Amino acid sequence: DAGVIQSPRHEVTEMGQEVTLRCKPISGHNSLFWYRQTMMRGLELLIYFNNNVPIDDSGMPEDRFSAKMPNASFSTLKIQPSEPRDSAVYFCASTQWNTEAFFGQGTRLTVV
Amino acid sequence: AQSVTQLGSHVSVSEGALVLLRCNYSSSVPPYLFWYVQYPNQGLQLLLKYTSAATLVKGINGFEAEFKKSETSFHLTKPSAHMSDAAEYFCAVSLSGNTPLVFGKGTRLSVIA
Repeated sequence: DAGVIQSPRHEVTEMGQEVTLRCKPISGHNSLFWYRQTMMRGLELLIYFNNNVPIDDSGMPEDRFSAKMPNASFSTLKIQPSEPRDSAVYFCASTQWNTEAFFGQGTRLTVV
Repeated sequence: AQSVTQLGSHVSVSEGALVLLRCNYSSSVPPYLFWYVQYPNQGLQLLLKYTSAATLVKGINGFEAEFKKSETSFHLTKPSAHMSDAAEYFCAVSLSGNTPLVFGKGTRLSVIA
């Protein structure tokens, strides 16, 4: 398996634009997590899904953030409109029951 | 609620010296504990995990960690540091395998030749 695949690896966008981050989890994994990493706040959970169903989105900072998982092999994290303070590295991770989480390479988002 | 405290945001050791990275956790139930490593511009890679089996856990690249319930600690050690060990190390706790990880702030390890 190629592991957790995230795209794009880097995204530079202007403030106010819509940004969509994508994640393909490892085949057969039933849980998917979105994390955000910043220097100030470290690694924070944004939202997670079990069997494609959102379980906890309390970490989503504002209504500008939304996430979907239409099927077991794909998830998106959307920011609309984007703001400079959204600049961070966004990680997707997946896991099976009682195994460790496998992380993607991350998407580095810069909002100017 | 669960939490993790990593003592020391930056640790510097000489090549060949002992590596000790400290992690203390708080959990209302028996925890799952993990150490991850992050190299620059990379994702997180699992070093080792504790899931209520043996308290001394061996991981990749010569690292190991010991779960001490009485001290609520899960410190990471390696007998002899190598230049390639320079990276950011994160301790994390979760309730089970498919619940979210709660991460510490991370410890940057520098290895001096």
